[in-house]
Amino acid sequence: EAAVTQSPRSKVAVTGGKVTLSCHQTNNHDYMYWYRQDTGHGLRLIHYSYVADSTEKGDIPDGYKASRPSQENFSLILELASLSQTAVYFCASTGQLYAEQFFGPGTRLTVL
Amino acid sequence: GDSVTQTEGLVTVTEGLPVMLNCTYQTAYSDVAFFWYVQYLNEAPKLLLRSSTDNKRTEHQGFHATLHKSSSSFHLQKSSVQLSDSALYYCALSDLFSSGSWQLIFGSGTQLTVMP
Repeated sequence: EAAVTQSPRSKVAVTGGKVTLSCHQTNNHDYMYWYRQDTGHGLRLIHYSYVADSTEKGDIPDGYKASRPSQENFSLILELASLSQTAVYFCASTGQLYAEQFFGPGTRLTVL
Repeated sequence: GDSVTQTEGLVTVTEGLPVMLNCTYQTAYSDVAFFWYVQYLNEAPKLLLRSSTDNKRTEHQGFHATLHKSSSSFHLQKSSVQLSDSALYYCALSDLFSSGSWQLIFGSGTQLTVMP
């Protein structure tokens, strides 16, 4: 089964600090995604990537950057964390169009 | 752009009774695929069902859904729910053309609670 891991699993950050969330997949998938989950909003796409060294903006990219240094790794960066970025963040990957996306276990981020 | 609507945020059903979770969508494109994802408490979402064929019933783990393009719907149903079905359910669609890229568009989710 496809494997997507995320680190850290939970994090407490201070307002204005920098936060980096990491995602690693061992499935040889080209497509990787970052979502945030908030009650009542479901899963919203922040950034995605189709190939290493290239990222694209999703539906809610403001306040977030992404980095795809290799096919296996995809990071989400909050340069100046804010209270409104408290949420659960999921990474996902897939290898084919219209195919299943495999999600990581999530990172619970609390910004104080 | 594309959108997915799940009208019920919370559904409570007694064990052994049927349930239907509503999902409707808007898309300008015909080449699309539809999904139901399930997320158990403190776990990651995972695929439950997938379909891209009009009027074809798709089944998995006792759940079934039929894509009806005429009514733009992909409702999820189960004839007899179990306590273990309590979870958050997401309807989603994907198409290649709306944004020039491929991504899933999720509904806001329906929390299903099964009561004994």
